[in-house]
Amino acid sequence: AQKITQTQPGMFVQEKEAVTLDCTYDTSDPSYGLFWYKQPSSGEMIFLIYQGSYDQQNATEGRYSLNFQKARKSANLVISASQLGDSAMYFCAMKGFTGNQFYFGTGTSLTVIP
Amino acid sequence: NAGVTQTPKFRILKIGQSMTLQCTQDMNHNYMYWYRQDPGMGLKLIYYSVGAGITDKGEVPNGYNVSRSTTEDFPLRLELAAPSQTSVYFCASSPQVLTGELFFGEGSRLTVL
Repeated sequence: AQKITQTQPGMFVQEKEAVTLDCTYDTSDPSYGLFWYKQPSSGEMIFLIYQGSYDQQNATEGRYSLNFQKARKSANLVISASQLGDSAMYFCAMKGFTGNQFYFGTGTSLTVIP
Repeated sequence: NAGVTQTPKFRILKIGQSMTLQCTQDMNHNYMYWYRQDPGMGLKLIYYSVGAGITDKGEVPNGYNVSRSTTEDFPLRLELAAPSQTSVYFCASSPQVLTGELFFGEGSRLTVL
């Protein structure tokens, strides 16, 4: 069975500080991909970053980085130098090599405080 | 680039009415999906398709139907609308590779009264 768990319903961070959003996963697939999406209050889903299970290095995209710990089955999103525009819902998702579906966590609501 | 286009963006239905949410993508993706998102919740998969002529049920298919006659189009049909189907619906597509992310439409907000 495939499962994504996000245990932080809400997070607060001071502007310009870094924040880590937690994501753990469970899969029996030997190969899989992990994704993070941002959903601002306007509602659209914005792709942020991807990590492959066999990637040797943690993925980075600008201020976003993914802290991938395969043995612990965690794929935490790190946002550096938070900005007010980072306030949004953040979803972690996984896709297995043998399946066709994306599995989503329940999301974390991030609020950046000026 | 248009990407994934959903219509309508907003719709109010009466209980028992039917409607179709349209979804089209211009990226030649084989995989297409329909999700619903209830207020304050995550995404639940309704139906998905891995290519023209092939569809499969997701987590919450009851009350919905889909078809995939072309690579581009993946309409979602709501039959006999119920208040429990009040939600935001997202169509998404993905290339047929492990590294391919989901590309989402802008969402369709449906209210059933």
